[in-house]
Amino acid sequence: EVQLVESGGGLVKPGSSLKLSCVASGFTFSSYGMHWIRQAPKKGLEWIALIYYDSSNKYYADSVKGRFTISRDNSKNTLYLEMNSLRSEDTAMYYCGESRYWGQGVMVTVSS
Amino acid sequence: DIQMTQSPSSLPASLGDRVTITCRASQDIGNYLRWFQQKPGKSPRLMIYGATNLAAGVPSRFSGSRSGSDYSLTISSLESEDMADYYCLQSKESPYTFGAGTKLELK
Repeated sequence: EVQLVESGGGLVKPGSSLKLSCVASGFTFSSYGMHWIRQAPKKGLEWIALIYYDSSNKYYADSVKGRFTISRDNSKNTLYLEMNSLRSEDTAMYYCGESRYWGQGVMVTVSS
Repeated sequence: DIQMTQSPSSLPASLGDRVTITCRASQDIGNYLRWFQQKPGKSPRLMIYGATNLAAGVPSRFSGSRSGSDYSLTISSLESEDMADYYCLQSKESPYTFGAGTKLELK
């Protein structure tokens, strides 16, 4: 059974940093590009980052470029999202996924 | 950036209806178009990839099509379990972009 389990979310103050993790199982993680997407409360989906299977390429949405960093450790079947200079507009549920498979999400709240 | 204009934003429909949701791409994306279903409190589910290909486990009443820069998701006969939000996503080039979403609800 495929599982993607996100962790690392929480309540932080504006300007803070946070690192999300996503542990994958049940499929060959090292063979697939992986995404982070997010959904602000009562809003639509927003794509935010993609990393190729071998970390050779990384792409970001304009809204997070320069503040967020996507990375992965294929030896640990784990995807990461390092988030710096967090803003209130980054408040959202964050999902990791491969397109066919998605985690249940982790909530990030940025508030003073 | 490529803009995806999705319509309608809300679609009231009855069980058994044939419904269609459309996304228009602001520039050429070929067939790099996916459709996702999302139910309240749940993660997205891939329904269609490559504009017209049914994802694994998706009922055959769902289909995807393309006409020029317009991409459509059609449900041939609506069932209660299909009530959800639907989003298109272009994956032709970064940044990938979702449509604004369509809320499919019972009339």
